This record gives sequence, C-alpha cells and structure tokens, in this order.
Amino acid sequence: QLQLQESGPRLVKPSETLSLTCAVSGGSITNSDYYWGWFRQPPGKGLEFIGIIYFSGSTYYNPSLESRVTMSVDTSKNQFSLSLGSVTAADTAVFYCARVGPFHIGYYYMGVWGKGTTVTVSS
Amino acid sequence: SYVLTQSPSVSVAPGQTARVTCGANNIGSKSVHWYQQKPGQAPVLVVYGDTDRPSGIPERFSGSNSGNTATLIISRVEAGDEADYYCQLWDSGIVVFGGGTKLTVL
Repeated sequence: QLQLQESGPRLVKPSETLSLTCAVSGGSITNSDYYWGWFRQPPGKGLEFIGIIYFSGSTYYNPSLESRVTMSVDTSKNQFSLSLGSVTAADTAVFYCARVGPFHIGYYYMGVWGKGTTVTVSS
Repeated sequence: SYVLTQSPSVSVAPGQTARVTCGANNIGSKSVHWYQQKPGQAPVLVVYGDTDRPSGIPERFSGSNSGNTATLIISRVEAGDEADYYCQLWDSGIVVFGGGTKLTVL
C-alpha cells in the first residue's frame, strides 16, 4: 500500500527558504505513470497547487509561485522535495504531498496523499 | 486558464440527495475529479474521470460532467458525509482546484 510522509521544519522565518521532503513507501517513485506533487492549504482556505515532478526531474509549477519554487527528486531514497524561497506570513499553510496520475490515460488526479504538515512563517 | 466555480455551501437532510456543482466554460471537455476533505484530514479522492469511483468509495458517490457544469452527486446522504468537497482538473500543465463547497448535513 503506497504511503507518503511529509517532513521538515514546522517554523520558518520570514524571507527564509521553506524546505520539505516527501518520503514514498510501498511503491517506487520511478513508476513511469505518475508525477509527484506538492499542494498547500492556508488556514481556513482551499487547496492550492504548488507543482509536480516526474522521476526524471521534469517539472510543472504553479505560475503564481514559479519564481520561488524548486522541486527535486532523489530516486535512491525514494523521495522528493520542495523548496519555497522568500517566504512571508502568507505562506503559512498545511503542506501536502501526493501522487499525481495516471497520466497515460490523460488523468492527473491525486489518488494518494500524505497526511500533511503544518508550516508556520513567523519571526 | 480554467477558473472553477463552486458554491460555498450546500445543506441537505439525511437520506436526501446532495448535488455539488463545479462550473467553468466548456468544463464538459475536461476530466473532472472530486475530493472530500474532513476537518484536520488530508483530501480523499471520491470520484475521478467525471464518473468513476476509487475502490472503497461507496456507490452513493457519483458524478456527471456536461457543458459548463460538473456535478458530484451524493445519494442517501449520511452524517459522515459532512465535509468540504473540491473539484479539480488538469489544464495546460497545472492542477486547478475549485474553491470548495462545505456540505452540511442538517
């Protein structure tokens, strides 16, 4: 059974870089039919797409965040990561990782999610 | 790019049918997926590809998509269905979510 687990600092200072990792277990991150994604949800608000990455390193980012976002993948550790730079209080949110696909049939949905991790931006 | 419009809230009595809508221009040409999110929990996929259910999701959950509106239909609503529901599609390289609908079971 595929499981995803987010990890990283819970508190980040303004102007610094938020870094999170998603560990994948019960399946391989090199599965050719899926991307791996990051999403966030500010307190009391809806879901927001941050970006997705393929095991080859190919990425799609939300245009509104693209200038501050970098995603990477480590196939040897079966995990992928998110960096979000120059954070402000507006970046405070629950961050989720998820598996995205299967895109060979043209579907990009999130069938498996991590439990989420709360990140607060504050000095 | 697509902007998905959902009503902020829907209320329904137990045993009745709830319809949660997601509107956008020509959304019927896209594959729409739906998520249920309960407080403090991660989203759960309840319908994908407009009409299909993942394993483990009750048959009471179904979907349709035509023209400018996609709809999540929850039959015989139960108290445990009270949650936020989000529609989602893929458009030009990005994942797009609707703003979410809070389903209240009266």
